[in-house]
This record gives sequence, C-alpha cells and structure tokens, in this order.
Amino acid sequence: NAGVTQTPKFQVLKTGQSMTLQCAQDMNHNSMYWYRQDPGMGLRLIYYSASEGTTDKGEVPNGYNVSRLNKREFSLRLESAAPSQTSVYFCASSEQFLGPQHFGDGTRLSIL
Amino acid sequence: GENVGLHLPTLSVQEGDNSIINCAYSNSASDYFIWYKQESGKGPQFIIDIRSNMDKRQGQRVTVLLNKTVKHLSLQIAATQPGDSAVYFCAETAGAGKSTFGDGTTLTVKP
Repeated sequence: NAGVTQTPKFQVLKTGQSMTLQCAQDMNHNSMYWYRQDPGMGLRLIYYSASEGTTDKGEVPNGYNVSRLNKREFSLRLESAAPSQTSVYFCASSEQFLGPQHFGDGTRLSIL
Repeated sequence: GENVGLHLPTLSVQEGDNSIINCAYSNSASDYFIWYKQESGKGPQFIIDIRSNMDKRQGQRVTVLLNKTVKHLSLQIAATQPGDSAVYFCAETAGAGKSTFGDGTTLTVKP
C-alpha cells in the first residue's frame, strides 16, 4: 500500500526559483492538505482541498499556490522561493474533510 | 511518566512504565480531537481520535481522555516500549473549521 506519495523527498533551491511539490494518494480520499513543519514545531496548514474541484487557504498561504489536478493528486507551487520557506512540507489526505489524515513522509526543502 | 501542558515538551520514561502526554487545547468550540505520532524522518501517523460527546476512548495500549471543562486532552500509553519513542501531536477541530495542531511532545523511552 503506497498511501500518500510525495515527490521529491529533498530539494535545494536558490532564492527566486520556482518549484512544484507533487502529492498523490491511492486511497480514494476526498480531501487533501498541504502543511509545513518548521524545526521543533507543529504542523501549519498552507492550503487544503475539501473535495475534488475545490481549494481553500489555510493558516499560512502566502507565497504558495495549489492545484487539485484530480481526485488523486494535489500539488503545491512556490512561485518565487524565499529563505523563509525553508521547511519540511507534508501532504495529507482524509476520506472525509477533517477526518483522520494520512500523511506522506514529507519533502525537505532548503532555500538558499 | 507525565508532562504538564505544552510548557514541558519532552517526556522520558522507562520501558514498561505507563506514559501520559497532555495537551491543553485553545478553542472551547472544538468538538473533534486526534492524536498523531511522528517518528523521526516520517510523516505523522494517526493513533486515536475522540469526539466531544465522549470523555474517554480506548485503543490498543492507548487511551485518550477529554476534559472539556478545562480544555484538556491526554494520551495514555500503557507499558511503553522503545518503539513508542516519537513526537506526539494533538489536533483539534471546531465544527466545519480547519484542524489546528499543537507543537508536540517528544517521548523518549529508556530501555
């Protein structure tokens, strides 16, 4: 069972570069989420998609955009990367909105 | 072993002891709570959940207690094992709003 798959696992960018983080789930879940986790801290919600065809801002959406490509895939884009966006990014999915979430293993992103 | 609130984010226990991890949530309207476990280098993993119409729920070796009066949630792990070493997060959700995660408690199990 793959669950939630995130690519890439690691990435280093220069300030100003753009990047898309990919996420796919194979559990036929309706809802998907993107979080960032900074060292020693909890998860902060960037964007979410309660169902296919909808996306909404979370707690920290500035500097990011998302696309719910289909029911399986939810991508996160950094248009112009900044050092403050250095973090670990987690994608998650849930069968119903706000139900128990299944997480991928994260993308570790460093911006120089 | 037990920690008190988010001011003590680490907990160290002996293997075989019971662990109690606490979480003080912020929103009195929160009606659904989840505990997650995060091992080093991995994403959080669902452990157990509880709705506000309950004050206790048990799983395999884990029990979650909810005290709505003081907005307090706890996770009890029985007979703690080295594999339980991880960071534990509570998450609260109010109605149709978004989930909010706490900062986490690091549990270290000494053999």
